[in-house]
Amino acid sequence: NAGVTQTPKFRVLKTGQSMTLLCAQDMNHEYMYWYRQDPGMGLRLIHYSVGEGTTAKGEVPDGYNVSRLKKQNFLLGLESAAPSQTSVYFCASGSGIEQYFGPGTRLTVT
Amino acid sequence: AQRVTQPEKLLSVFKGAPVELKCNYSYSGSPELFWYVQYSRQRLQLLLRHISRESIKGFTADLNKGETSFHLKKPFAQEEDSAMYYCALSMGGYQKVTFGTGTKLQVIP
Repeated sequence: NAGVTQTPKFRVLKTGQSMTLLCAQDMNHEYMYWYRQDPGMGLRLIHYSVGEGTTAKGEVPDGYNVSRLKKQNFLLGLESAAPSQTSVYFCASGSGIEQYFGPGTRLTVT
Repeated sequence: AQRVTQPEKLLSVFKGAPVELKCNYSYSGSPELFWYVQYSRQRLQLLLRHISRESIKGFTADLNKGETSFHLKKPFAQEEDSAMYYCALSMGGYQKVTFGTGTKLQVIP
């Protein structure tokens, strides 16, 4: 039982490049979330999903897209990376009260 | 819109001293409130939630609706309590959670 896993762990992008972050959970949770963590800003919700095939915008959705084609996976895409997207990205899943977090992906955009 | 405020970025206390991490919230409905903790090089994890009225690792938190606060307290700090603490608020249904900016607790030996 791996819980919540994130791929990759680290990535460096150049401005304008694209990439996809993968989140996978094996706990059969309905809800999945993508957050970014920045110094002094805490955790901010980017997008979330309340079930397979659904997505919704969070607090800071601009510049990101997501897809939830399978219940266990939640993908976060950056179409054209910008330096402002340098951050640590956390995925989480949950079935109700508690959220379970992944280990994070450290992304640097130069 | 809901908001969670943690006024202290850093709180330093000596081992054995009492700890209080402040959290205030704004939400028009009936909130569900949580404390999450992130130890060094570990994942963010749930510490406690107000609805269960439990004590975890010696920490307690009481929801004060009049003051819209959910402060985290521990009578005697331990070195292993050093971590980043996040207060969080959920709307009904737990679909969306708003986190505060976090407080780094540093326990000095």
